[in-house]
Amino acid sequence: DAGVIQSPRHEVTEMGQEVTLRCKPISGHDYLFWYRQTMMRGLELLIYFNNNVPIDDSGMPEDRFSAKMPNASFSTLKIQPSEPRDSAVYFCASSSLYRTEGTEAFFGQGTRLTVV
Amino acid sequence: KQEVTQIPAALSVPEGENLVLNCSFTDSAIYNLQWFRQDPGKGLTSLLLIQSSQREQTSGRLNASLDKSSGRSTLYIAASQPGDSATYLCAPPRGTGRRALTFGSGTRLQVQP
Repeated sequence: DAGVIQSPRHEVTEMGQEVTLRCKPISGHDYLFWYRQTMMRGLELLIYFNNNVPIDDSGMPEDRFSAKMPNASFSTLKIQPSEPRDSAVYFCASSSLYRTEGTEAFFGQGTRLTVV
Repeated sequence: KQEVTQIPAALSVPEGENLVLNCSFTDSAIYNLQWFRQDPGKGLTSLLLIQSSQREQTSGRLNASLDKSSGRSTLYIAASQPGDSATYLCAPPRGTGRRALTFGSGTRLQVQP
């Protein structure tokens, strides 16, 4: 398996623009997580899905952030409008309750977002 | 709310030393704990997953222990190498029955050749 795949790897956008981050989880994994990493706050959970259904979105900063998982192999995190304080590295991760690897979480390489 | 503390925050050692990285967490009602490695500008690489029913888990030169009752986990690195230089992150679940992880601030390790 290719692992968790995120795109784009880097994104530079102007304040006020819409940004869409994409994630393809590991095939067969039924949990998908979005995290954000900053120097000040470290790694924070934004939202996670189980079987494509959002379970906990309490970490989503505000209404400017939205996430969807239309099917088991694809998820998006959208920021509209973007602000400079949204600059961070956004990670997607997936895990499985039922596979032999247990509940180990695997992370993508991240999307480095810069809002200017 | 799960809170995770990692000690030390940074560590610089000469090659060949055996190392102990410490992690403590506040909610001990967890079913497992995961250790990750993060290289600068890179993603997180899973090192070890230790289940609550286990006391130790080993992978090569790495050994992780878990003591739920005291809310502690330890990552032991034997015979450290310059390639081990990275930030090490401890990540228990957010709480009982929760699948998402809570991360500590990490231990930044530098192994000098």
